[in-house]
Amino acid sequence: DTAVSQTPKYLVTQMGNDKSIKCEQNLGHDTMYWYKQDSKKFLKIMFSYNNKELIINETVPNRFSPKSPDKAHLNLHINSLELGDSAVYFCASSPLLETQYFGPGTRLLVL
Amino acid sequence: SQKIEQNSEALNIQEGKTATLTCNYTNYSPAYLQWYRQDPGRGPVFLLLIRENEKEKRKERLKVTFDTTLKQSLFHITASQPADSATYLCALPASGGSYIPTFGRGTSLIVHP
Repeated sequence: DTAVSQTPKYLVTQMGNDKSIKCEQNLGHDTMYWYKQDSKKFLKIMFSYNNKELIINETVPNRFSPKSPDKAHLNLHINSLELGDSAVYFCASSPLLETQYFGPGTRLLVL
Repeated sequence: SQKIEQNSEALNIQEGKTATLTCNYTNYSPAYLQWYRQDPGRGPVFLLLIRENEKEKRKERLKVTFDTTLKQSLFHITASQPADSATYLCALPASGGSYIPTFGRGTSLIVHP
């Protein structure tokens, strides 16, 4: 029944490691997003894909690379993790480019 | 780009009262504005969308107003309940013609029984 799901829910890793977060939506939406919510609770968009094509790429370090194998999946790969990458990462999808349906979030802690 | 201001201080109210949260924005007037609810440890949940040509929108105990002259939206919860306690986020397009959503920091609402 889950609309937008993310794995893992928690991710604790060392600086310098590479990690991936997976996202899947079963809502049939064409557009998917990645957001970052920092410790001050600001929610900022990172990327957006529409039908597997990148349409939004905000100022995000090259170490972050999204991949959309199909319309229902948008994964986020992060290379060479840094302390400042610690945050909650949310995946979202939308039927139009307006209302967002968010996943439960992945809490990333870089030590 | 758009700047969104929401009261960073928590709003504490008594059960049964009406809660009113404010979202102010600068720069251009957006074509629409959205309100989301976020509970601790969870993702935001969409509540209401109001367009620039709509003065008011209602959904059950929720009411949103949109004043493009004041550059402000008010979000009301009538007959508030402890279960309404959460953080409420305002969101609008980052700039004219853009679909990139910009979120406010949110206001925490605490409803006391």
